[in-house]
Amino acid sequence: GAVVSQHPSRVICKSGTSVKIECRSLDFQATTMFWYRQFPKQSLMLMATSNEGSKATYEQGVEKDKFLINHASLTLSTLTVTSAHPEDSSFYICSAARDFNFLRPAFSTDTQYFGPGTRLTVL
Amino acid sequence: AQTVTQSQPEMSVQEAETVTLSCTYDTSENNYYLFWYKQPPSRQMILVIRQEAYKQQNATENRFSVNFQKAAKSFSLKISDSQLGDTAMYFCAFMKLNYGQNFVFGPGTRLSVLP
Repeated sequence: GAVVSQHPSRVICKSGTSVKIECRSLDFQATTMFWYRQFPKQSLMLMATSNEGSKATYEQGVEKDKFLINHASLTLSTLTVTSAHPEDSSFYICSAARDFNFLRPAFSTDTQYFGPGTRLTVL
Repeated sequence: AQTVTQSQPEMSVQEAETVTLSCTYDTSENNYYLFWYKQPPSRQMILVIRQEAYKQQNATENRFSVNFQKAAKSFSLKISDSQLGDTAMYFCAFMKLNYGQNFVFGPGTRLSVLP
């Protein structure tokens, strides 16, 4: 259980176009999803926290108008890179936190489940 | 703000031997979680082991165990009987206890298991 998928796994686009990346929790509900960016040989950098039905919370330095995040359902969050430029080329990873169980907190999330990532190349 | 430090950018170990990866962190929180994640060449993040800060007992998962020293804010990972498949980037991560909190990752340690 607790599988997270991302689509597409790889995408190549031209500079100036927009690209949408989907993150899905396949077998659980994810009230909260996170979007990370990872440069080669570096750690994961949190871009934004996405909560179902509300606006995403962006980390300092991340342009919210460039990286549009939508969390329309408990199983799907999307990241749209608008007007992509070559410097946006990177590896994007999402993760999902399982729904909190107020009656049985021990069964709630105490970790995150990561998607396989999407490699974006902007030409 | 929390910070996580991994002082060993790269390490290598012979197959079947034991290796320890270091991690230190800085926080003013009393309750939190600590994690080790593995990222193989496929780049899929895989949970290796998890430790709740309120538990004194060190977590163990098969060949993987941790040495959690809360006062020293240290959380090292020991891999016993290293296997070639253990070759990967290893990230130490911190998460506050409250639901919905994001991870703070360390810079990672690249581990190579040599045949």
